[in-house]
Amino acid sequence: GQQVMQIPQYQHVQEGEDFTTYCNSSTTLSNIQWYKQRPGGHPVFLIQLVKSGEVKKQKRLTFQFGEAKKNSSLHITATQTTDVGTYFCAGPAFSGGYNKLIFGAGTRLAVHP
Amino acid sequence: NAGVMQNPRHLVRRRGQEARLRCSPMKGHSHVYWYRQLPEEGLKFMVYLQKENIIDESGMPKERFSAEFPKEGPSILRIQQVVRGDSAAYFCASSPQHSSNQPQHFGDGTRLSIL
Repeated sequence: GQQVMQIPQYQHVQEGEDFTTYCNSSTTLSNIQWYKQRPGGHPVFLIQLVKSGEVKKQKRLTFQFGEAKKNSSLHITATQTTDVGTYFCAGPAFSGGYNKLIFGAGTRLAVHP
Repeated sequence: NAGVMQNPRHLVRRRGQEARLRCSPMKGHSHVYWYRQLPEEGLKFMVYLQKENIIDESGMPKERFSAEFPKEGPSILRIQQVVRGDSAAYFCASSPQHSSNQPQHFGDGTRLSIL
């Protein structure tokens, strides 16, 4: 079945360094969503990308959707301790007669002050 | 505007007991999804429900687990005869309509601990 894979699984950075997480799908995606989960918290929707090659920015976060719509990335510039958490990508997969949202395993970001 | 409400936030059960987890979706949302998350792991899909219907329960264990979303009241995830391996965080999410283009809104989760 379709898979959504994320790398790396963990990332430790010093505060102020940049961070990137990558998401890859085995099939073309109609859209990709990104979520953030703080330690002890729940996933919170960040953004959705729909168009091939789309780039969206939210302050220090830059989200990109690949030209082939099979991969995506999230880049954080100059990380802060508030960026700590797990970042999940999610994409649709046709399964059981409908499009189900499949979550990647997440990238856990630790930021050292 | 209340978000997705889950209760209880924490639930402790002894092996063999039953656990009932409740989820009230956001106002206007009729689609509910349940996920399980083990410590430091990702979200594992369990079941997708609409009012009075189970649409997809492919991620739910065949035994001991059941889910419902009645016409009135919250969605319930029920685990019978709990075992230690059921210890996890259970998240409920909702959306206004089913589409893989719709973001899902998550509740705070129920942390289930089995003694």
